[in-house]
Amino acid sequence: GQNIDQPTEMTATEGAIVQINCTYQTSGFNGLFWYQQHAGEAPTFLSYNVLDGLEEKGRFSSFLSRSKGYSYLLLKELQMKDSASYLCAGMDSNYQLIWGAGTKLIIKP
Amino acid sequence: IAGITQAPTSQILAAGRRMTLRCTQDMRHNAMYWYRQDLGLGLRLIHYSNTAGTTGKGEVPDGYSVSRANTDDFPLTLASAVPSQTSVYFCASSEKTGGTDTQYFGPGTRLTVL
Repeated sequence: GQNIDQPTEMTATEGAIVQINCTYQTSGFNGLFWYQQHAGEAPTFLSYNVLDGLEEKGRFSSFLSRSKGYSYLLLKELQMKDSASYLCAGMDSNYQLIWGAGTKLIIKP
Repeated sequence: IAGITQAPTSQILAAGRRMTLRCTQDMRHNAMYWYRQDLGLGLRLIHYSNTAGTTGKGEVPDGYSVSRANTDDFPLTLASAVPSQTSVYFCASSEKTGGTDTQYFGPGTRLTVL
């Protein structure tokens, strides 16, 4: 079957670094997406990885290891506005997204 | 402003009633999607359309129908609503021309079926 696993909730301190992990199992693989979703709002695109390695975009970076079925999202210099849910999604062989339940990130001052 | 709009923003509906959720995009994207999002679960695909005139079933299609008469609009209909259809519904679109195929989401419709 297809499955995406990520932690339910994480807590971090303003100014710190946090890593949100995601493991995936999809029928075929056409990339791994990360989205951010603030409470009561729509998911917004953060990053996409299809090749192994690290993609950096400002304070956010995303890593992929296809052999391990593993990705992480790294958030640096945390700000209070980063409090949100982070959704991991794998794209299968039919180019459909399989979504994890999301990781709720709580930032404390 | 380019993007996706959904209507209504929220709705309370009596069980057994028929309801259509509207979705319109102005990005000329080929593909459109309907998801539902429930607490503790990931987004689940209800129906999708890869191009105007075609539709497909997702993971949880029962009780829902869609149509795609043109590129811009992708309405979702609940023929006879049941309480288990209480959820937040998101419409999304993507270019579907190969490559990254990032999906962009509308603001959502919060539906309560009593």
